[in-house]
Amino acid sequence: DAKTTQPNSMESNEEEPVHLPCNHSTISGTDYIHWYRQLPSQGPEYVIHGLTSNVNNRMASLAIAEDRKSSTLILHRATLRDAAVYYCILRAPYNFNKFYFGSGTKLNVKP
Amino acid sequence: DVKVTQSSRYLVKRTGEKVFLECVQDMDHENMFWYRQDPGLGLRLIYFSYDVKMKEKGDIPEGYSVSREKKERFSLILESASTNQTSMYLCASLGAPIYEQYFGPGTRLTVT
Repeated sequence: DAKTTQPNSMESNEEEPVHLPCNHSTISGTDYIHWYRQLPSQGPEYVIHGLTSNVNNRMASLAIAEDRKSSTLILHRATLRDAAVYYCILRAPYNFNKFYFGSGTKLNVKP
Repeated sequence: DVKVTQSSRYLVKRTGEKVFLECVQDMDHENMFWYRQDPGLGLRLIYFSYDVKMKEKGDIPEGYSVSREKKERFSLILESASTNQTSMYLCASLGAPIYEQYFGPGTRLTVT
């Protein structure tokens, strides 16, 4: 199963953009890239997903490299409430029920 | 609002006890999951179920069993709890669209 690599932690200032990187060099052509986040004392929640094209929603943007070996989650203006662990996950279509969570990136937002 | 609820937020059990963790979802989802979360190891899949009475092992099923008698309810059973099962347990469900998995708040289980 394709795996992802993320930095253990990152820090950002409030109201500044944040770029959270993810490497997935063994991604297959049909794997979807998902991002979830886990706020303190809560279960993970869905943020965004994509296949090949960049994606935007009300929470974030997802930029996917042309070769799909990496992606970046972009929070346009970080708030204190965005402090969480962010997980980059690949979903294989033949095992669509399995979401493989790694250790994620812990984002600290400074006021 | 979609909801996945878990029976307890905190649970303390003794070694050798039988432990039941309950999870209920109100979204009519077919797929339900049990994960455990440990520091440095991320989330690891224990079992999942894609229909009533159907189940499949995840990555770490040893020491656990599951039950899905009704669509909305998925139970995780520790037949004989051990200290290495002290962990945070997270339940999730997945329906349509199939890209968004919904998680419960978690149960922090301590086995002494």
